[in-house]
Amino acid sequence: RKEVEQDPGPFNVPEGATVAFNCTYSNSASQSFFWYRQDCRKEPKLLMSVYSSGNEDGRFTAQLNRASQYISLLIRDSKLSDSATYLCVVNQAGTALIFGKGTTLSVSS
Amino acid sequence: GAGVSQSPSNKVTEKGKDVELRCDPISGHTALYWYRQRLGQGLEFLIYFQGNSAPDKSGLPSDRFSAERTGESVSTLTIQRTQQEDSAVYLCASSLSRDNEQFFGPGTRLTVL
Repeated sequence: RKEVEQDPGPFNVPEGATVAFNCTYSNSASQSFFWYRQDCRKEPKLLMSVYSSGNEDGRFTAQLNRASQYISLLIRDSKLSDSATYLCVVNQAGTALIFGKGTTLSVSS
Repeated sequence: GAGVSQSPSNKVTEKGKDVELRCDPISGHTALYWYRQRLGQGLEFLIYFQGNSAPDKSGLPSDRFSAERTGESVSTLTIQRTQQEDSAVYLCASSLSRDNEQFFGPGTRLTVL
């Protein structure tokens, strides 16, 4: 099993749609979780951290399910500017954060 | 404050030449990382420095690749005898410590002809 797995997509949705991405991780001892966003030909940037109790930032909601070892990202009322690749990131003891390959989202008008 | 900076932003070189890429992390960040990203692909971990500890070199693809970091400051990634397959964007990131969020530089786009 890969350390961090994401559905690569692409997810093609119309403006205003709600879209959800899931990410599974293999190390049950992982404690830190993040979602990053990467625009085409740009560097990744932190979108939000993921907390045990779940957290929301505007139209974005992140949730953690430790029992099933997955994290999710929900985007409500999608905007054209949300088009990007979303990277799931998980820590692993003794080494650097592990980045998933990313899920590509394309929002169209 | 200043973010992570990398230089050069673009580098074109001939097969067989050596190249050196530079990364200036955010001041105070003890952890520094190098990644490679080929076109349309995900991030490929190369090497990680944490303070004065021995670096984690487990991601370096061959002995042509090496990296150094002086204390908690600048890092250089060196690729010897470049090959066409080395063409990619090389990204550097830094963080306060290993499990904290990473901040990325804009990357160096390397093209090996």
